[in-house]
Amino acid sequence: GENVEQHPSTLSVQEGDSAVIKCTYSDSASNYFPWYKQELGKGPQLIIDIRSNVGEKKDQRIAVTLNKTAKHFSLHITETQPEDSAVYFCAASIGSGAGSYQLTFGKGTKLSVIP
Amino acid sequence: ETGVTQTPRHLVMGMTNKKSLKCEQHLGHNAMYWYKQSAKKPLELMFVYNFKEQTENNSVPSRFSPECPNSSHLFLHLHTLQPEDSALYLCASSPLGGINTGELFFGEGSRLTVL
Repeated sequence: GENVEQHPSTLSVQEGDSAVIKCTYSDSASNYFPWYKQELGKGPQLIIDIRSNVGEKKDQRIAVTLNKTAKHFSLHITETQPEDSAVYFCAASIGSGAGSYQLTFGKGTKLSVIP
Repeated sequence: ETGVTQTPRHLVMGMTNKKSLKCEQHLGHNAMYWYKQSAKKPLELMFVYNFKEQTENNSVPSRFSPECPNSSHLFLHLHTLQPEDSALYLCASSPLGGINTGELFFGEGSRLTVL
């Protein structure tokens, strides 16, 4: 089955700096790669995702890159703000488009943005 | 407010008790999921229901018994649990068919403590 490794497990950055979280996956058939943010006391929430036919996707201060050959993908957050402090999870899945997605998650990265 | 409501938010039970977790989604989705979230471990998929039919049982012990009476409600019945079952149990839903983008909508979770 799929295995997703996520690094680092904790990350502290100064407000305004950039943060990068990296993930690798094992199943070359995986084609859908979402990132979830989990704030304290809440459930995970999708912040950005990327599919295997795209190398990079950006949404304001958040971007994700995908390297299918190396089987790794990364989350980039620029101009970090205190409200970015949370736990971030990467995941990988073989998306069927119509059926339910069986996501395999990484262990998470606790990001702390220091004001 | 994600449209997925879980009750109770906190539950403490003894190893011989029987209790249930409840999940309700108001999003019109047809797939529902139970995930287990333990400290320092990836989110673990437990069960998947598509149109009320169980499509995935991820080798979950029989002391966890899911029930999906309709596409809006999902239960997790608990009995004879072990202390290692203490965790945050997350419910999620997603649409099926052409509008399915892969995004999971999570509830805020039920924090379970087994004494």
